[in-house]
Amino acid sequence: SAVISQKPSRDICQRGTSLTIQCQVDSQVTMMFWYRQQPGQSLTLIATANQGSEATYESGFVIDKFPISRPNLTFSTLTVSNMSPEDSSIYLCSVVSAGVNTGELFFGEGSRLTVL
Amino acid sequence: RKEVEQDPGPFNVPEGATVAFNCTYSNSASQSFFWYRQDCRKEPKLLMSVYSSGNEDGRFTAQLNRASQYISLLIRDSKLSDSATYLCVVNGRDDKIIFGKGTRLHILP
Repeated sequence: SAVISQKPSRDICQRGTSLTIQCQVDSQVTMMFWYRQQPGQSLTLIATANQGSEATYESGFVIDKFPISRPNLTFSTLTVSNMSPEDSSIYLCSVVSAGVNTGELFFGEGSRLTVL
Repeated sequence: RKEVEQDPGPFNVPEGATVAFNCTYSNSASQSFFWYRQDCRKEPKLLMSVYSSGNEDGRFTAQLNRASQYISLLIRDSKLSDSATYLCVVNGRDDKIIFGKGTRLHILP
């Protein structure tokens, strides 16, 4: 299993500002993911955070809006840049215990972001 | 057709009853299937994996129907604590993990 600490747990931000969310895992993991869960919706993968290289972004998400850092195998950050009310959502960090096909996804408790 | 579809519910079920819900998927090449549980304002947590031969864990039974491309979750003798949203998870195209929107379950006392 993996224990994931994510912070902040919640924040209220002004339009146009940026917020960085941190994710710390208690063990070294190869794959770390950032998800977004908008109200009443399911989880949508934003990007896969790769150690030593740029993150891999899903369709509809770009690096300028969601820059990601992955300095080592236990830590990652996601920044939500130039925020608008549409960015209000829960952002979740996730790791997989083994291969994608067989492993369980573990999630941080999420960062609930409200943009005014 | 959406990659993963679930009935959003809510399913309102009296305590002690049996409830079942399905999840359909569009990618016939999908290999991995899971049910996750998400409590209100909490992160999702794995409930059980779904194997080709089916999987039973106490009151919970998960089954896979490849021919019709759906997985199912059956909960017997439901408890109040079973109230949650149940997320269907499938590995889709290019091995991407796809989450369904979830089925809300309310167990009524």
